[in-house]
Amino acid sequence: NAGVTQTPKFQVLKTGQSMTLQCAQDMNHEYMSWYRQDPGMGLRLIHYSVGAGITDQGEVPNGYNVSRSTTEDFPLRLLSAAPSQTSVYFCASRRYILTGYTFGSGTRLTVV
Amino acid sequence: SQQGEEDPQALSIQEGENATMNCSYKTSINNLQWYRQNSGRGLVHLILIRSNEREKHSGRLRVTLDTSKKSSSLLITASRAADTASYFCATDFTGTASKLTFGTGTRLQVTL
Repeated sequence: NAGVTQTPKFQVLKTGQSMTLQCAQDMNHEYMSWYRQDPGMGLRLIHYSVGAGITDQGEVPNGYNVSRSTTEDFPLRLLSAAPSQTSVYFCASRRYILTGYTFGSGTRLTVV
Repeated sequence: SQQGEEDPQALSIQEGENATMNCSYKTSINNLQWYRQNSGRGLVHLILIRSNEREKHSGRLRVTLDTSKKSSSLLITASRAADTASYFCATDFTGTASKLTFGTGTRLQVTL
């Protein structure tokens, strides 16, 4: 099925652990982004990419790394998990700037 | 932060009534988009309006944009219980290279 696939859907980490949230799209979209959603805060942009090999920081990049080695994949790495990173993470992609984003179903992350 | 702000934060109406949500932003935009999020789900793109457009329709949705006031509104006509969701505006700011920025959202409750 065409769309944005995020894995895992749920994850519990201990403080200090690292992990990678996976995001893949099969729509040949150039633009991909990672957002986190916290209650009352809306969605905040973590990192984004305008094409393979090109990434840039968003509003809240600290504690996260990304890479874009292929058009399809845009993994988000948590370097050393902290309780403040407890959130729901969404990956999204779009073909052009003047189109809407297609969102994945999200990863609910809890850091204890 | 360049984040837009929606007004009201929450809205409760009866089925068949119209729902109006407003969005304000701070700097020049390329386009403004509206998204819907059902509880616990990813966001779904509803409509995009370009900075040189003033009004756009899609089914029961009507979006207006006033760039002089830096504001937009989303009107849902003849609301249905299935319209119950959170609605977010998102802006592509001029010169920010595809950094789509979301507002904090309006929670719409449509009762029978």
